[in-house]
Amino acid sequence: DTAVSQTPKYLVTQMGNDKSIKCEQNLGHDTMYWYKQDSKKFLKIMFSYNNKELIINETVPNRFSPKSPDKAHLNLHINSLELGDSAVYFCASSRGPTGEKLFFGSGTQLSVL
Amino acid sequence: GQNIDQPTEMTATEGAIVQINCTYQTSGFNGLFWYQQHAGEAPTFLSYNVLDGLEEKGRFSSFLSRSKGYSYLLLKELQMKDSASYLCALRPSGTYKYIFGTGTRLKVLA
Repeated sequence: DTAVSQTPKYLVTQMGNDKSIKCEQNLGHDTMYWYKQDSKKFLKIMFSYNNKELIINETVPNRFSPKSPDKAHLNLHINSLELGDSAVYFCASSRGPTGEKLFFGSGTQLSVL
Repeated sequence: GQNIDQPTEMTATEGAIVQINCTYQTSGFNGLFWYQQHAGEAPTFLSYNVLDGLEEKGRFSSFLSRSKGYSYLLLKELQMKDSASYLCALRPSGTYKYIFGTGTRLKVLA
């Protein structure tokens, strides 16, 4: 059984469109994250939720909006997509918000044309 | 700042030993993590150091020196499947942010 699953795996879309990426974890973890990995493979934190409460909100354009309907799910909605949004987006979870190892989803490769 | 630096790329031969270094400028953190990421896949947890010293896990070991501000990952008896990127990461004290290093791409040659 997949521990952290995110969909879709690939997302190709036009500039200006709105898209969502979904993430679910079945590990019973309290904390979930969204990371962006750019073309240089640098992993940068975007958001984190702990028990549905937003605890990290990095300097990310407000076109990006996370939503956590419950602690097992964290979705990412992106409005008005731009070319620079093209990247791999990883969802991750950890047992708690401090000092815990991360479990990553398989990533969503977003290509904005 | 909270920079974490690693060499960009390393090459080694199958069967050899390689040491991947990670230096950081963070004054306080709980522990330092190492992750492995194969091309096109998700990062997966390798090891975690809380105290100074060496943590051994089979072919992989990780070392931490807080006083010197560095860690390294040691890979022994290299295999072709070890070709991957290796990322060190830490969570600075007083923050929930989990910061990753720049990553080291390791190529293992036959």
